[in-house]
Amino acid sequence: GAGVSQSPSNKVTEKGKDVELRCDPISGHTALYWYRQSLGQGLEFLIYFQGNSAPDKSGLPSDRFSAERTGGSVSTLTIQRTQQEDSAVYLCASSPGTATNEKLFFGSGTQLSVL
Amino acid sequence: GDSVTQMEGPVTLSEEAFLTINCTYTATGYPSLFWYVQYPGEGLQLLLKATKADDKGSNKGFEATYRKETTSFHLEKGSVQVSDSAVYFCALREQAGTALIFGKGTTLSVSS
Repeated sequence: GAGVSQSPSNKVTEKGKDVELRCDPISGHTALYWYRQSLGQGLEFLIYFQGNSAPDKSGLPSDRFSAERTGGSVSTLTIQRTQQEDSAVYLCASSPGTATNEKLFFGSGTQLSVL
Repeated sequence: GDSVTQMEGPVTLSEEAFLTINCTYTATGYPSLFWYVQYPGEGLQLLLKATKADDKGSNKGFEATYRKETTSFHLEKGSVQVSDSAVYFCALREQAGTALIFGKGTTLSVSS
């Protein structure tokens, strides 16, 4: 596709359930990032992939959060035993490389609502 | 650690007014600095960037100058339009191979 694609665009789940969020980066982009956007909190970094490895996962808020990337392409962010405070927009971004001045291309996000 | 601080919003202006959104940063080295914009219903997109001290980034009438002495990267526009209404994020990356760090965002609302 032409841009970063995320699915689903909206997800409503019950507290305690597991959810999987998917990100399809731009073809050929080696770097992939997950961020969380909450009201009043701005953009919170979660995890960054270079290829299939994650050099920086320091932003994952708890061990309920995990992510993987396969084939240097699609990434899945999994949240286990969801809590109400997990409700947010989860954004994925990709970039061709990892230079300091590299531009990130963002997807439209997944709006997660935990009831 | 590295951080970015933006002025709190919302900022409400009339069309053709002058805009300044303040951004200051904390970093140990020489980061690249960015402004990203999120228009209503759209994804974040890069507005402008600067990679070294005294560089000026510019795009769509917006400008920001990398000021190392004041660790600032304030966003300015001489005459805002209703279509500039959006959320603006200041960001930095200090080293290659690290994640972009964002400020909390500033909402701009421009009325005609």
